[in-house]
Amino acid sequence: AQSVAQPEDQVNVAEGNPLTVKCTYSVSGNPYLFWYVQYPNRGLQFLLKYITGDNLVKGSYGFEAEFNKSQTSFHLKKPSALVSDSALYFCAVSGWSSASKIIFGSGTRLSIRP
Amino acid sequence: SQTIHQWPATLVQPVGSPLSLECTVEGTSNPNLYWYRQAAGRGLQLLFYSVGIGQISSEVPQNLSASRPQDRQFILSSKKLLLSDSGFYLCAWVTSGGINEQFFGPGTRLTVL
Repeated sequence: AQSVAQPEDQVNVAEGNPLTVKCTYSVSGNPYLFWYVQYPNRGLQFLLKYITGDNLVKGSYGFEAEFNKSQTSFHLKKPSALVSDSALYFCAVSGWSSASKIIFGSGTRLSIRP
Repeated sequence: SQTIHQWPATLVQPVGSPLSLECTVEGTSNPNLYWYRQAAGRGLQLLFYSVGIGQISSEVPQNLSASRPQDRQFILSSKKLLLSDSGFYLCAWVTSGGINEQFFGPGTRLTVL
């Protein structure tokens, strides 16, 4: 069965510092991994995805994520945090089938202090 | 371009009343469609997904049901709401036949009193 874990409920970072939001996954076969962001009372917005190829994926708003197969991880990163990055972040995983379920993590609240 | 609509945006219903939430997608055909529930601004719980008209997969046994009467329409229903049905309901779609990201609607905030 597919599963994804976000071990941190909240991450606090000072503006200008690098940030990391952690995600680990479990899936049979090759994983397809996604990061989404959610602002208050809104739907989720897509940030980036890993399907195959380069382990470092670049996405929207300066975010990137690194796929690590041996550690089954897909951590979200940004070199320099902005206050506007404060939001709820979700990692998601799906399997090989196009009709496969897409499973979301529990979410990590990112708070960037000025 | 593709867009996804959900209505109503907010809903307050008494316990035991029926429910119907609607989701429609424009600008694409034969999408996979999903209903999620989010409680208290936290994780998303997958409720139902559909890969075609009349094809519904249920993930969580409960008093909710889903239907897909048309290719781009997905409806979430209940005959009798429970207090525990309160939450933020999100509809999403993804292009079938590929590994693509989901696009989410604006959500419906349901409060059951």
